Amino acid sequence: NAGVTQTPKFRILKIGQSMTLQCAQDMNHNYMYWYRQDPGMGLKLIYYSVGAGITDKGEVPNGYNVSRSTTEDFPLRLELAAPSQTSVYFCASSSPGNTIYFGEGSWLTVV
Amino acid sequence: GESVGLHLPTLSVQEGDNSIINCAYSNSASDYFIWYKQESGKGPQFIIDIRSNMDKRQGQRVTVLLNKTVKHLSLQIAATQPGDSAVYFCAEKEGTALIFGKGTTLSVSS
Repeated sequence: NAGVTQTPKFRILKIGQSMTLQCAQDMNHNYMYWYRQDPGMGLKLIYYSVGAGITDKGEVPNGYNVSRSTTEDFPLRLELAAPSQTSVYFCASSSPGNTIYFGEGSWLTVV
Repeated sequence: GESVGLHLPTLSVQEGDNSIINCAYSNSASDYFIWYKQESGKGPQFIIDIRSNMDKRQGQRVTVLLNKTVKHLSLQIAATQPGDSAVYFCAEKEGTALIFGKGTTLSVSS
């Protein structure tokens, strides 16, 4: 059982470039989330989704976009990368009212 | 500001000691809390959770205590082992998502 799978694991972007972080879960969870974690800090919620076709902003959505065309996938897009987006990104999923499970993270550096 | 925070950023213990990690929350309406362990270079790993209708919940070597009167949460780890060294986060369920505190780094020396 793979759980929550994120790709890529590591990426370096130049300022102004765009990229998509991929996230897939095989647990048939309705809810999916994207968090970012800056060094020494807790996780901040970027976007979340309660089901296919439904997305909502979290605490820090600026500079990001998401889509949820299927239950399994929840990609996170950075349109114009900025140094402030250098962070570790975690995707997560859950069933309603239950524990949230996290992926292993994607390390992004914007230079 | 953050609604969930931890009292101490670091905690150092000897192997075999019991560890207590504390967390304060501010939203009295929160009804679900989770403790996560995060090892270096990995994602948060679920340890134990507790709902607001409970005061205590026990797992394997871990116990979570919830004091709703003072809005305080604690994680107790019995017989701490070197493998317990990690950053520990408490998280508070607000609506659909979790709100995290900054974390406590637990260091276990042999």
